[in-house]
Amino acid sequence: AQSVAQPEDQVNVAEGNPLTVKCTYSVSGNPYLFWYVQYPNRGLQFLLKYITGDNLVKGSYGFEAEFNKSQTSFHLKKPSALVSDSALYFCAVRVPSALSGGYQKVTFGTGTKLQVIP
Amino acid sequence: DAGVIQSPRHEVTEMGQEVTLRCKPISGHDYLFWYRQTMMRGLELLIYFNNNVPIDDSGMPEDRFSAKMPNASFSTLKIQPSEPRDSAVYFCASSLKREGYEQYFGPGTRLTVT
Repeated sequence: AQSVAQPEDQVNVAEGNPLTVKCTYSVSGNPYLFWYVQYPNRGLQFLLKYITGDNLVKGSYGFEAEFNKSQTSFHLKKPSALVSDSALYFCAVRVPSALSGGYQKVTFGTGTKLQVIP
Repeated sequence: DAGVIQSPRHEVTEMGQEVTLRCKPISGHDYLFWYRQTMMRGLELLIYFNNNVPIDDSGMPEDRFSAKMPNASFSTLKIQPSEPRDSAVYFCASSLKREGYEQYFGPGTRLTVT
């Protein structure tokens, strides 16, 4: 079965420090991986994705993520955290077409709350 | 583009009443998803459509829930009769296969059933 795990319910980091939000996945075949952010009282917003190519993916708002096939991980990173980065972050994996009848279906993780402390 | 539009943004209703949530996807997108988010269960996929056809409704919790997509620019999620445990934020999202599968979410409808 396809799944993603976000092992930390909450991550606290001081403003200006680097941040990492962890995500591991389990999927048959080549994974399509995504990160989304949700600010309070808002819908999820796409940040970045990995489909193929360079293992380091750059996205919106200075975020990046590193795809590591051997560790089946796709951790979200940012060199210097801002207070405005405080939000809920979701990792997601696309279910391979062969297992979803040829249609696209995405499984989301449980989310990690990022708190950036001034 | 205005993005995914959902209405109403807030809905308060009494148990037993019918509730209809509405969604207008991004023009040209061929997938539409309905999700429910609660503190207890997180983000749950309820149903999704491809080219207006329901593909997978295995996430719909009960027969009280139904969803339709009569055309490419409109979808509804109906709960009849509503129950207090249906209280949640309901999100609609759309995507376009050609663009690499990322989904674009609406602002959500916060439903409270008393």
